[in-house]
Amino acid sequence: QVQLVQSGAEVKEPGASVKISCKASGYTFIISAIHWVRQAPGQRLEWMGWINAGNGNTKYSQTFQDRASITRDTSANTAYMELTSLRSEDTAVYYCARDRGSYWGYFDHWGQGTLVTVSS
Amino acid sequence: EIVLTQSPGTLSLSPGERATLSCRASQSVSGSYLAWYQQKPGQGPRLLIYGASSRATGIPDRFSGSGSGTDFTLSISRLAPEDFAVYYCQQYGNSPETFGQGTKLEIK
Repeated sequence: QVQLVQSGAEVKEPGASVKISCKASGYTFIISAIHWVRQAPGQRLEWMGWINAGNGNTKYSQTFQDRASITRDTSANTAYMELTSLRSEDTAVYYCARDRGSYWGYFDHWGQGTLVTVSS
Repeated sequence: EIVLTQSPGTLSLSPGERATLSCRASQSVSGSYLAWYQQKPGQGPRLLIYGASSRATGIPDRFSGSGSGTDFTLSISRLAPEDFAVYYCQQYGNSPETFGQGTKLEIK
């Protein structure tokens, strides 16, 4: 069955960077896009960006254009999301999610989430 | 960007009753590209409905979606104990993809 398994919780100081991994299994990795979505405490889900796992093309929300970087390693069936210049408002649970196809824009499987806490 | 507003914020019902959840968009959602998700504590969301009315794989037929343009509805015909959770709508017709703020369905 399709599974997305994310790396564990992180605690970072303001100004630092964090890189989260998302390992996919149960399907052919390169045929579906991977998106990243975050959920800050008490806030709605917020789409950050996506990567075409086949060709590596990416697109970001304007909110994260300057600070987020999404990459993938096809040999490891793993996608990554790095967020730089962290601030307290970036404290959130970060999810990776599989697109229904190469790019539909909705998500048929989600990772378990990675809590990132930004605190001095 | 399209802003999605869900109502009510909290819905208190008993098992066996019918639930009706609303999602209103600030502008028309292109192609009725609207999805619904269910989220339980400590878990990632689960896809229920896409294309406004198509059930995702493995979703019971008590879940149904309807609507077009700016007004969409998720209905649950007979609430089962496992249906009590938070529900989110999401539009994917216009970039960036955006989500509603959620409706919490709680046991009365």
